Amino acid sequence: KAGVTQTPRYLIKTRGQQVTLSCSPISGHRSVSWYQQTPGQGLQFLFEYFSETQRNKGNFPGRFSGRQFSNSRSEMNVSTLELGDSALYLCASRGALSYNEQFFGPGTRLTVL
Amino acid sequence: AQSVTQLGSHVSVSEGALVLLRCNYSSSVPPYLFWYVQYPNQGLQLLLKYTSAATLVKGINGFEAEFKKSETSFHLTKPSAHMSDAAEYFCAVKGGGATNKLIFGTGTLLAVQP
Repeated sequence: KAGVTQTPRYLIKTRGQQVTLSCSPISGHRSVSWYQQTPGQGLQFLFEYFSETQRNKGNFPGRFSGRQFSNSRSEMNVSTLELGDSALYLCASRGALSYNEQFFGPGTRLTVL
Repeated sequence: AQSVTQLGSHVSVSEGALVLLRCNYSSSVPPYLFWYVQYPNQGLQLLLKYTSAATLVKGINGFEAEFKKSETSFHLTKPSAHMSDAAEYFCAVKGGGATNKLIFGTGTLLAVQP
């Protein structure tokens, strides 16, 4: 079974731009979560989607948004990028019978200049 | 509220020595606890998980962890370190309620000396 895939792997943007990151979960997984990883703040939860519905959202400004499609693929968008948004963005998927075990993708490294 | 604390941001051991990475948790409900490993420029890989079935949990790559409720701990151990174990290790707890979000500790960077 293919793992979680994230595209692109690396991205460079400038302040004020917007960016869209994509995540394809493991086949059959309907739950997708996003996390931000930075040296200063560590790993922080962004949002969780299940069957196209946002179930939970972390403590991030409204510039951070996401969505999930009917095939369970998910995207997250960050508008009006700030330098502090530079981070590794990780996507994780979860199956129905996996005892909350989440499988992580390789991440997208976003650099904001 | 759920939280985890990892003691020691950097741990260095010699190859063949015992690995002990510490994690203490705080949870208002019986916790689901996890250890993940992250190699450079990669995502997180699950090492093991505690879901109340057994207090001693065996994971991949020879790692294991023991859940101790009285000490609110879930320390990760491996009897003999290998050079390939050098990585960053994260302890995590599932958030409370219906959410599946994971709350991570700050991580422990493990160095293995030859």
